[in-house]
Amino acid sequence: EVQLVESGGGLVKPGGSLRLSCAASGFTFSSYSMNWVRQAPGKGLEWVSSISSSSSYIYYADSVKGRFTISRDNAKNSLYLQMNSLRAEDTAVYYCATPVNWGQGTLVTVSS
Amino acid sequence: NFMLTQPHSVSESPGKTVTISCTRSSGSIASNYVQWYQQRPGSAPTTVIYEDNQRPSGVPDRFSGSIDSSSNSASLTISGLKTEDEADYYCQSYDSSNLWVFGGGTKLTVL
Repeated sequence: EVQLVESGGGLVKPGGSLRLSCAASGFTFSSYSMNWVRQAPGKGLEWVSSISSSSSYIYYADSVKGRFTISRDNAKNSLYLQMNSLRAEDTAVYYCATPVNWGQGTLVTVSS
Repeated sequence: NFMLTQPHSVSESPGKTVTISCTRSSGSIASNYVQWYQQRPGSAPTTVIYEDNQRPSGVPDRFSGSIDSSSNSASLTISGLKTEDEADYYCQSYDSSNLWVFGGGTKLTVL
C-alpha cells in the first residue's frame, strides 16, 4: 500500500522557518517526481513545488520562489520542504503528492 | 500560462448522474493529462481519475473521466450518485514545464 506521511508543521511567527518532511512507502520513490501542494483555510488547492526523481529539475510557484527549497533523499524515501521567511499568507495545510497518491497533510500556521 | 475553469457548484439527487466540467483557457486540453481529485470535508484530497480516464485501484467504476477537444474541456462523470460522493472536486493538468495547474474546485451536493 502506498503511503505518504507528512510531518513538521506547526505554529511559527512571521519571518520564521519550518522544515516539512514527507515519508514515502509502498512504491519505488526514487522513480517518481514529487510535489508539494498547499491549501489555505477555506480555499482551493495551490501547487507549491516539484522535484524530479533524481533532483535534476526543481520548480517553484512564484509565491514561494526564493523562500522555499524542495529536496529529497532517495536513500531515505523522503521528500522535504524548507520554508524560510514565512508570511501569514503561507498558512495552509501542506500535502506531498503524486498524480495518484496524496498524504494526509500537515498544518502550517504563521502568526504572531 | 493557462487556467482551468470549473463550475463553482453542482447538485443532483442520489442515484442520478452528474458531470463536472473543466475548461482549459488556452492550449489544447489533449496536450497534457488531466487528473481529478475528490476532497471530502475535513479530509485530504484523493485521486479518482488520473491520465484523463484512468481509475486508481479502489475507485468504483461509477467514476469516469473524458476529454473533449471540441470544447477544450475535461469532464468527470459520476453515475449512480451516493451521498458519500458529496465533496469538492478539483481538476488538475500540466503546463509546458510539467508544472501542476489546478481548477478552482467544484462543490458537489447530493440531495
